[in-house]
Amino acid sequence: DADVTQTPRNRITKTGKRIMLECSQTKGHDRMYWYRQDPGLGLRLIYYSFDVKDINKGEISDGYSVSRQAQAKFSLSLESAIPNQTALYFCATSDWDRPYEQYFGPGTRLTVT
Amino acid sequence: AQSVTQPDIHITVSEGASLELRCNYSYGATPYLFWYVQSPGQGLQLLLKYFSGDTLVQGIKGFEAEFKRSQSSFNLRKPSVHWSDAAEYFCAVGAYTGTASKLTFGTGTRLQVTL
Repeated sequence: DADVTQTPRNRITKTGKRIMLECSQTKGHDRMYWYRQDPGLGLRLIYYSFDVKDINKGEISDGYSVSRQAQAKFSLSLESAIPNQTALYFCATSDWDRPYEQYFGPGTRLTVT
Repeated sequence: AQSVTQPDIHITVSEGASLELRCNYSYGATPYLFWYVQSPGQGLQLLLKYFSGDTLVQGIKGFEAEFKRSQSSFNLRKPSVHWSDAAEYFCAVGAYTGTASKLTFGTGTRLQVTL
């Protein structure tokens, strides 16, 4: 089984809908991240969490919220989806003492129409 | 603030040919540098890393990279490319921003391998 899993893998939704992307990990890592990938822009950090009580905004958090339900679970929500949130979303994890060595999930391709 | 530039958006090489992907970084202190690879339909996987010491670092899948401080570069190389190396490659710099340790990614280079 994969160490970092994301559900759903693909999702099409309409403008204004609320949507949640879920991430689970079995690596036992404390740190979890949500990134967004757009063509030509690389990966940009949306939110990150050091533990269940420590959640922080990344560089592009507007329009997104997160929940760290447990050490192993980190969810990303779009409260009211808009078309420019169409992107590939990645969850990642890292150990506390190796924050740059991140393990990525397979990604969720989200399309907002 | 740190930044990473990957000047080549797309590169095509023949199988068996050598490969060099360029990466330039901007950071005020000694950087932590990384190369990640994203195969089609997959998440990113760490290829190699540079923290300090020997400026030529070896990674997985036969890749290596050389840190050149004078050129602010960390180019990725492979002597002989295999068709399975077709993927997107991201260079990244790791830095402590005062509140957290963060990775900053370049925009990626897509590698196509022709048979």
